[in-house]
Order: sequence, then C-alpha cells, then structure tokens
Amino acid sequence: DTEVTQTPKHLVMGMTNKKSLKCEQHMGHRAMYWYKQKAKKPPELMFVYSYEKLSINESVPSRFSPECPNSSLLNLHLHALQPEDSALYLCASSQLAGVAKNIQYFGAGTRLSVL
Amino acid sequence: AQTVTQSQPEMSVQEAETVTLSCTYDTSESDYYLFWYKQPPSRQMILVIRQEAYKQQNATENRFSVNFQKAAKSFSLKISDSQLGDAAMYFCAYRRSGANSKLTFGKGITLSVRP
Repeated sequence: DTEVTQTPKHLVMGMTNKKSLKCEQHMGHRAMYWYKQKAKKPPELMFVYSYEKLSINESVPSRFSPECPNSSLLNLHLHALQPEDSALYLCASSQLAGVAKNIQYFGAGTRLSVL
Repeated sequence: AQTVTQSQPEMSVQEAETVTLSCTYDTSESDYYLFWYKQPPSRQMILVIRQEAYKQQNATENRFSVNFQKAAKSFSLKISDSQLGDAAMYFCAYRRSGANSKLTFGKGITLSVRP
C-alpha cells in the first residue's frame, strides 16, 4: 500500500475564512511534506516533518500553519489567505531509514481556490 | 545549489512509438538519487522510476527505462510502446543523500500521445 490520502479534494474559501487541509498515510513513514503547486509548474516545498517535528519551513507566510498530531496525520491550517494562494496543495510522505528512504509518495492533492 | 533542467516544455509521440524525455542536473555531491515522476490530469504525482547515483546499471520498470550518464549529469527517460495513458506532465527530480535533504524538481515536460 503506497497510498497518501488528502481531504478535501477541492476547497473554496474566502479571505477571512479558516480552513484546514488533511493528509493521512498508513505506510509507517516518519517524514511528511507539504508542497504548493501552481498550474504547469513543479511543486514547491513548504514544510517537512520528521518524527512528528517540524524540520524544514521554507519561509512560508504565517497564514499557513502546519501540524503533525501523530505519525500518520498531517494538517495544514489556513487563515486569512490571499487570492494568490490559490493552488494545488500536495502532501507526501517517505521513510527516514531503509532502502526506500529517499522515495516520496504523493497524495492527489487539494485544489484550493481563495476568493 | 543543485539544479535540475528540463529544457523541452512539450513533446508529442505516436501511440506505440518510443519517446525520450531529457533531463540534466548540476550537483557537487557524489551520493544522490534521481527520479522521474508522472503527473496526469488527475493530479497525483506518481513515481515512475528512480536511479541511485552509485549504481552504474540503468534502472528499468517495464516500458520505462533511463539513460543515466553520471559524468555528463544527464538522466533521460525512455518510454517504449507509448500508450494513451502515458499522456501527462513528467518531472525529473534530484535528491542528495542524507537527512533533511530536499527533492529538487525540474520545470517539467508535457507529453501528449497521439492515437
């Protein structure tokens, strides 16, 4: 099973709303990632969690707040977003040891539209 | 800093024919990993094939194979017997070995398959 599940698939929100994106994996991976992807562009790394601790923050604005409640779950809390934040948000996970430690498995993403 | 270059934005192939997608990268590291990811319109990033830099043998996965030229820092993907389902955006990616290393993507190439 190499499945990373993201919910919701689509999200429309106003600039004053608060919403959350959810990502779940049951592969025993101890690294989880959030990426932002604009149309026809490569994904851009936002955050990395290793062993449930934030290890990389790519200078992301504070209106994006990640959370890793346990080793299977990763959330991205959204507040006071701007229209330019509209994008596909991808979650990924990987092992931190072993032969497959460098392979990231991606979810299908959440398509976010900020009005 | 590592960079990944995919110079062709689009390519087209006839169904059942063979196509090669090019990728070059720049790094001063000796231990690293290279990947090709496929992203169809369904959005999910799917790992197509990976190559460990320390392995001289080119990786193959069914109809997909790579031509890894370490000295030239080239990592091309060959798709044999192209199928309609191969139509997608393809990203070449690099990751150096070690903890907290990031996945660096190329700009991607859009492959269309003509029936």
